[in-house]
Parts: sequence; C-alpha cells; structure tokens
Amino acid sequence: QEQLVQSGSELKKPGASVLVSCKASGYTFTDYAINWVRQAPGQGLEWMGWMNTDTGHPTYAQGFTGRFVFSLDTSVSTAYLQINSLKAEDTAIYYCAQGRGRGWAVWGQGTLVTVSS
Amino acid sequence: DIQMTQSPSSLSASVGDSVTITCRASQDIGTYLAWYQQKPGKVPKLLIYGASTLQSGVPSRFSGSRSGTDFTLTISNLQPEDVASYYCQKYNSAPRTFGQGTKVEIK
Repeated sequence: QEQLVQSGSELKKPGASVLVSCKASGYTFTDYAINWVRQAPGQGLEWMGWMNTDTGHPTYAQGFTGRFVFSLDTSVSTAYLQINSLKAEDTAIYYCAQGRGRGWAVWGQGTLVTVSS
Repeated sequence: DIQMTQSPSSLSASVGDSVTITCRASQDIGTYLAWYQQKPGKVPKLLIYGASTLQSGVPSRFSGSRSGTDFTLTISNLQPEDVASYYCQKYNSAPRTFGQGTKVEIK
C-alpha cells in the first residue's frame, strides 16, 4: 500500500539545524507531490509548502521562506525538510503528505522536533 | 491569498446528535475543498474531498456540501469515536490553506 515513513523525533538546541526525511513506498514517487505541514503544540495544521517530485521545484508558503529548505533524493524515493537556525518556536510536529488532486489520503506519521537549550 | 474561515472553533454535542461545521472561502475555490479528522495524538485523516465525495472507508454518517464559497461538514448520529478536531482545506492551488479547526466533544 502507499505509505510515507518519516524519520524519528529530534531534540535540538537553538541555532542548530535539523533534517526530517519522508520516505515513500508503494507508488511511483515522482507521480505525486510531497507537501509539508507543521503543527505546533496544541495548535492547528499549517501548510508549509510543497515539493514537485517530478521537477524538484519547491514552493514555500509565506512564513516558511529562508530557514526552511525542501529537497529530494528520487533514487531512494525520499523527500527532506531541513530547518536551519532553529528557534524555540519551531518546536512542532512536522508531517509530510502525498499531494493528489483528491485531497491528501497518505500522510507520514509525523516527526516531533523539539528545540530547547 | 484566499482565506479559509472555519466555525465554530469548538462544539459539544450528545451521542446521536447531528453536528455541522462550516468553512467559508474568501474567493471561489470550486469544489477543491477537503475535510480532515484528527484524533488526539494521531495523524490527520482524509474524510471528504471534492467538497462532498466521501473517502473510501469513511462512515456514511459523515457528509459534505457546498453552497458557493460556503462548505459544510455534517456528522449525523454523532458517535464517541468522532471526538476529534476537524479541519477544512482548499487544495486547488497554493497556498493550500487549512481552516483553523473545530474541536468536537461529547456532552
């Protein structure tokens, strides 16, 4: 079945960087986009942007430019989210989701990133 | 950018009740509207796409409708397992904005 599996929880200090991976299986990776969603503690879902897995072109939502970087390794069907210069307010669960034109039925399990000194 | 305004932010109802959640788009988005359910500590789950098409495996007590730029999620015969937060989302083009969410509780 189609599946997205994310990397495990991370504990980082302010100013550090973190790399979250999202590995796809069960379908052709380049057929569907990968979206990234942030959910801060006790808060709602926030769309961060998406990665065109066919062209490798990223699109970032407002508020997620500069420190946030989307990338791909199509050879291993994996999308990545890198966050640089981490701040306490980056503490959140980060989800990847398969982008289809019929809503997003396939989500990763989420990666908790905690930023604390 | 198109804004998605979801209401109410929370509601409490009894088992067996029918509840309605509304999402209003600031501009026309056609039927490119999805609804998600997120139970505490869990991953969001797609309930409805295309404003009214039920995702496979979702109970038929969930339904969606559209009237212009107003969208509605209705849960008929509310069950204890429906306790969750619900989100609308426009997905036709970027930004693929989510509504603010509605927390549904049982009285």
